Amino acid sequence: DTGVSQNPRHKITKRGQNVTFRCDPISEHNRLYWYRQTLGQGPEFLTYFQNEAQLEKSRLLSDRFSAERPKGSFSTLEIQRTEQGDSAMYLCASSLGRGTSTQISGANVLTFGAGSRLTVL
Amino acid sequence: AQTVTQSQPEMSVQEAETVTLSCTYDTSESDYYLFWYKQPPSRQMILVIRQEAYKQQNATENRFSVNFQKAAKSFSLKISDSQLGDAAMYFCAYSENFGNEKLTFGTGTRLTIIP
Repeated sequence: DTGVSQNPRHKITKRGQNVTFRCDPISEHNRLYWYRQTLGQGPEFLTYFQNEAQLEKSRLLSDRFSAERPKGSFSTLEIQRTEQGDSAMYLCASSLGRGTSTQISGANVLTFGAGSRLTVL
Repeated sequence: AQTVTQSQPEMSVQEAETVTLSCTYDTSESDYYLFWYKQPPSRQMILVIRQEAYKQQNATENRFSVNFQKAAKSFSLKISDSQLGDAAMYFCAYSENFGNEKLTFGTGTRLTIIP
């Protein structure tokens, strides 16, 4: 397993265009998370899925943002009518869920992808 | 709402020396998790160390250890025998014990290792 994969790694778009990011989690992980990280800040939670169900969405996720995980495997994050304020790194992470041992003993650990950087001109 | 504060935007340390990164947090919960994540330049974030709030013993992972002061809501990271590969952004993060991994992150500390 090569870890969490995100594509594209960098997207440059003009204001008003739609963009879509894809995340492929570690295959046996049932939880998938999206975070947004702006320059000089820590990541902020956007949404998460358990299998195909979207269980929580942040207030940061405006109606221009939509995330899906149709078959409980990969996920997509679409941003419609992009604005300059959407410029950020979009991070995906996955986990096995409660009660599973990981490389650091205890409970659930998030494995992050390298991120998809969005630049809106 | 929970908040995580890292008051040191940048830190530097001589190679082979010890450095401590500070983190404070605010929560009304009694059971939660605390984490330190490392984000090297242009690379993905990786977990360094994890602490469960109900455990009094401070977590350690090789050269990395924490000083967890629950009453003071403080969670500092100590890196011993600093190595060039330790250079990165370090984020402190908090998670409630609700059965998911939704994290609240601090703003990060950029650590520079001086050869």
